[in-house]
Amino acid sequence: AQSVAQPEDQVNVAEGNPLTVKCTYSVSGNPYLFWYVQYPNRGLQFLLKYITGDNLVKGSYGFEAEFNKSQTSFHLKKPSALVSDSALYFCAVRMDTGRRALTFGSGTRLQVQP
Amino acid sequence: EAGVAQSPRYKIIEKRQSVAFWCNPISGHATLYWYQQILGQGPKLLIQFQNNGVVDDSQLPKDRFSAERLKGVDSTLKIQPAKLEDSAVYLCASSSGYSGNTIYFGEGSWLTVV
Repeated sequence: AQSVAQPEDQVNVAEGNPLTVKCTYSVSGNPYLFWYVQYPNRGLQFLLKYITGDNLVKGSYGFEAEFNKSQTSFHLKKPSALVSDSALYFCAVRMDTGRRALTFGSGTRLQVQP
Repeated sequence: EAGVAQSPRYKIIEKRQSVAFWCNPISGHATLYWYQQILGQGPKLLIQFQNNGVVDDSQLPKDRFSAERLKGVDSTLKIQPAKLEDSAVYLCASSSGYSGNTIYFGEGSWLTVV
């Protein structure tokens, strides 16, 4: 079985400040980890993924995420938040073998205040 | 490159009526997914196709939901009869075979059952 936890329903941050959106996962094998963003009335847009290699992954719009195997975490980060980053963020996991669909967390709403 | 196309974008029906959603995946993508996203929750897999065969439909409510992917390209998801709790966004997604590859989502079909 595979699962994802996003412990914060909402994260509030001031524009220009760094942001972190938390994600922890549980899989029985090696994980492939993904972050997606959803704007109002839109589908999911891919931000970044960890497959293998460097634990720090860089993605779209200045976002990055750090894979931590010992803590089973994959937190999303950005050095300087923009008001336009306000959206719903989803962490997702799939195993490297077998069933290949993504399992999603419950989502975290990011609010960036001007 | 064209993305995942879905239609209709919005649909309002009365309970016990039927509805069908259509999806055209990214060209060349063998794997197609239908996810259900209820407001305030993360997307949940309904069914996964590999070409025109079903890989996983364990979470599809088969008494009212059906899906097909004829000729391994387009797919249709049908709900009959609809219940109030089926109000959700139905997201179609596609990917190529390797499990490390990104899954790309369409804009979604928003269903309201009244």
